[in-house]
Amino acid sequence: DVKVTQSSRYLVKRTGEKVFLECVQDMDHENMFWYRQDPGLGLRLIYFSYDVKMKEKGDIPEGYSVSREKKERFSLILESASTNQTSMYLCASSPNNGATYNEQFFGPGTRLTVL
Amino acid sequence: KQEVTQIPAALSVPEGENLVLNCSFTDSAIYNLQWFRQDPGKGLTSLLLIQSSQREQTSGRLNASLDKSSGRSTLYIAASQPGDSATYLCAVKGSNSGYALNFGKGTSLLVTP
Repeated sequence: DVKVTQSSRYLVKRTGEKVFLECVQDMDHENMFWYRQDPGLGLRLIYFSYDVKMKEKGDIPEGYSVSREKKERFSLILESASTNQTSMYLCASSPNNGATYNEQFFGPGTRLTVL
Repeated sequence: KQEVTQIPAALSVPEGENLVLNCSFTDSAIYNLQWFRQDPGKGLTSLLLIQSSQREQTSGRLNASLDKSSGRSTLYIAASQPGDSATYLCAVKGSNSGYALNFGKGTSLLVTP
């Protein structure tokens, strides 16, 4: 089974802190994604990466950055956390070939609260 | 921009009923469509993936259909059970939108014993 793991299920941070959210996948997928999910707004793409060190902005990249130094790991960074970044953050990965071509697999999510 | 709509937003049915969840999308130039299940406070579980060349996919009691030309997909759940209670999300990967998925806002399903 594909496994996508996220470093924390719940996280509480203070305004202005730098926050790192880590995501690891064990299926050698080329593509990795970060979404946030908010009530009434659904899932929105923040950033994605299609290869090591490669990244593309999604719909709402402002206030976020990402890092992909290894194929299996994709990090989301909140440079200076703000209260409007309180949300559920979901990581996903997908392959570029094979039986599950382009099927996205999600991690369990990180519920981030910024006080 | 691709818009994905799911109707109804919420649904309550008694156990044992067959039910249909609907998903519509505005741009028929899609690469694939994926149905997910999300339990409260949890991540998304992939249920079915339909490639644009396919008409339907089946997994156990679930059957998903795709009509690309009319911009519609349905998820059919047979003989519903209380354990099926969750939010069901539809997501479309457009041919022209790179790697991103466009998500609907989901249908919240409650199956009562």
